[in-house]
Amino acid sequence: DAGVIQSPRHEVTEMGQEVTLRCKPISGHNSLFWYRQTMMRGLELLIYFNNNVPIDDSGMPEDRFSAKMPNASFSTLKIQPSEPRDSAVYFCASSLGDRDTQYFGPGTRLTVL
Amino acid sequence: SQQGEEDPQALSIQEGENATMNCSYKTSINNLQWYRQNSGRGLVHLILIRSNEREKHSGRLRVTLDTSKKSSSLLITASRAADTASYFCATTGTSGSARQLTFGSGTQLTVLP
Repeated sequence: DAGVIQSPRHEVTEMGQEVTLRCKPISGHNSLFWYRQTMMRGLELLIYFNNNVPIDDSGMPEDRFSAKMPNASFSTLKIQPSEPRDSAVYFCASSLGDRDTQYFGPGTRLTVL
Repeated sequence: SQQGEEDPQALSIQEGENATMNCSYKTSINNLQWYRQNSGRGLVHLILIRSNEREKHSGRLRVTLDTSKKSSSLLITASRAADTASYFCATTGTSGSARQLTFGSGTQLTVLP
């Protein structure tokens, strides 16, 4: 298996633009997680899905952030409009169940100018 | 607030020495996991220990869990330069929104050749 796939790997955009991050989980995994990592705040869980259904989105910082999982093999995290403080590395992870080992993607490094 | 807190924040040792990192947490857990993150990369799962286990081994890794003290330790024996990375502990709770992984702030390990 190719593991968790994220795209793009790097994204540089200007403040106010819409940003869409993509994730393909490992086939057969039922849970998908979106994290954000910054030097100041460390690794934070933004949202997670179980069987394509959002279970806990309490980590989503603002209404500017939204996440979808239209099917078992694809998820998006959208920021609209983006702000400089959104600059971070965004990780997607998947696992068989929501308490099992999570496998992380390589991350998307987002820079908002 | 973060569930897991690693100690020390940074550790520098010589190749061949053992490295010990500690993690403390606050609430009841279902399991505790250790992850490694190389600079600029995603997190890699190392080992999972369940709340009813006290010790677990995997290669040069040894993890202990003391639920009475709400603490865990990760021991890396005979360290190598390639072990240089940040190490995170993460816990899953026993119910509800605590099911997801909550990460500590990490220990930066540097193994000098």
